[in-house]
Amino acid sequence: NAGVTQTPKFQVLKTGQSMTLQCAQDMNHEYMSWYRQDPGMGLRLIHYSVGAGITDQGEVPNGYNVSRSTTEDFPLRLLSAAPSQTSVYFCASSNPRGTQYFGPGTRLTVL
Amino acid sequence: AQKVTQAQTEISVVEKEDVTLDCVYETRDTTYYLFWYKQPPSGELVFLIRRNSFDEQNEISGRYSWNFQKSTSSFNFTITASQVVDSAVYFCALSEASSNDYKLSFGAGTTVTVRA
Repeated sequence: NAGVTQTPKFQVLKTGQSMTLQCAQDMNHEYMSWYRQDPGMGLRLIHYSVGAGITDQGEVPNGYNVSRSTTEDFPLRLLSAAPSQTSVYFCASSNPRGTQYFGPGTRLTVL
Repeated sequence: AQKVTQAQTEISVVEKEDVTLDCVYETRDTTYYLFWYKQPPSGELVFLIRRNSFDEQNEISGRYSWNFQKSTSSFNFTITASQVVDSAVYFCALSEASSNDYKLSFGAGTTVTVRA
């Protein structure tokens, strides 16, 4: 199993550009989530999904959209990138016991 | 509301010393889960342990041990005989079972540096 995969690993955007961060898991987990990691702040939940077709907002959802059309994929969309969205983004999926396994992360810089 | 506090920002030790990382949490739920994750310099997040709120039994795994005390709302992590490879950022996290959505609230992390 590949576990949780994320693409790209690095990305540089200009303010106002849009992009999609890809996330996929091959563990057949129902729950998936997106976090951002900023220095000194730990990880904060952006959006999550408890199954295909179901998404909800986390702690810091503004500026991000998600969709969940399949169990495997959970893309994160930045509609109009802002410098405040410069961060490291982690996707995670959770087994039925609630343990979340994280992808390798995407380092995003918005100029 | 959930809250996880890791009061130690950075800890520096010499190899073979023991190091204890503190984690204090707040929750109104009676059923919850506590986690520790490790983030080495390479950047990935590695799951270390999960503990249920109704199981206060301490756990040892190799050089790692965890002390869970509900009375003080703490879930501390000790690395015995530290090694250079233990250098990483360690995160404590909390999830409330009542929400049924596995959301994790993370502490700010403790950076451990083990010097040879």
